[in-house]
Amino acid sequence: NAGVTQTPKFQVLKTGQSMTLQCAQDMNHEYMSWYRQDPGMGLRLIHYSVGAGITDQGEVPNGYNVSRSTTEDFPLRLLSAAPSQTSVYFCASTRTSGSVEQYFGPGTRLTVT
Amino acid sequence: AQSVTQLGSHVSVSEGALVLLRCNYSSSVPPYLFWYVQYPNQGLQLLLKYTTGATLVKGINGFEAEFKKSETSFHLTKPSAHMSDAAEYFCAVRAGGTSYGKLTFGQGTILTVHP
Repeated sequence: NAGVTQTPKFQVLKTGQSMTLQCAQDMNHEYMSWYRQDPGMGLRLIHYSVGAGITDQGEVPNGYNVSRSTTEDFPLRLLSAAPSQTSVYFCASTRTSGSVEQYFGPGTRLTVT
Repeated sequence: AQSVTQLGSHVSVSEGALVLLRCNYSSSVPPYLFWYVQYPNQGLQLLLKYTTGATLVKGINGFEAEFKKSETSFHLTKPSAHMSDAAEYFCAVRAGGTSYGKLTFGQGTILTVHP
């Protein structure tokens, strides 16, 4: 299994541009989540999904959209990038029975200028 | 709602010394607790977790943590630090039940190990 994969690894955007961060998992996990990591603030939940077609907001959802059309994929869309969205973004997945930990992807480092 | 406080954003120890990273949480329901480690420019790797049962949990790389409900703590320890333990460590909590994808993280503790 590849686990949780994220693309791209690095991205530079100009203010106002839009882009999609890709996340995929091959473990057939029901739950998927997006976090952002900022220095001194740990990781904060942006959006999460309990299954295909179902998404909900986390702690810091403003400026981000998500959709979940398949179990495997959970893309994060930045509609109009702002410098405040400069961060490292992590996607994670977990199953809803048995083992309870989240499995994290390698992250996407995003810079908005 | 859940919250996590990690006491000390930086901890420095000598190689071979005890490692103690502190984590206190608040949760309105019985929590699930986790410690993750992050090496530079990498993702997060699970060290250990507490769900139910035994309050002393052992993880990878010689780390362990004890869940103390009365103190709302879940401190991470390792008897003897190794140079390879230098990394950032995150404590996280989620509510039990169906909050599978909703982790609340502490701000992180950077561990430095001196020769």
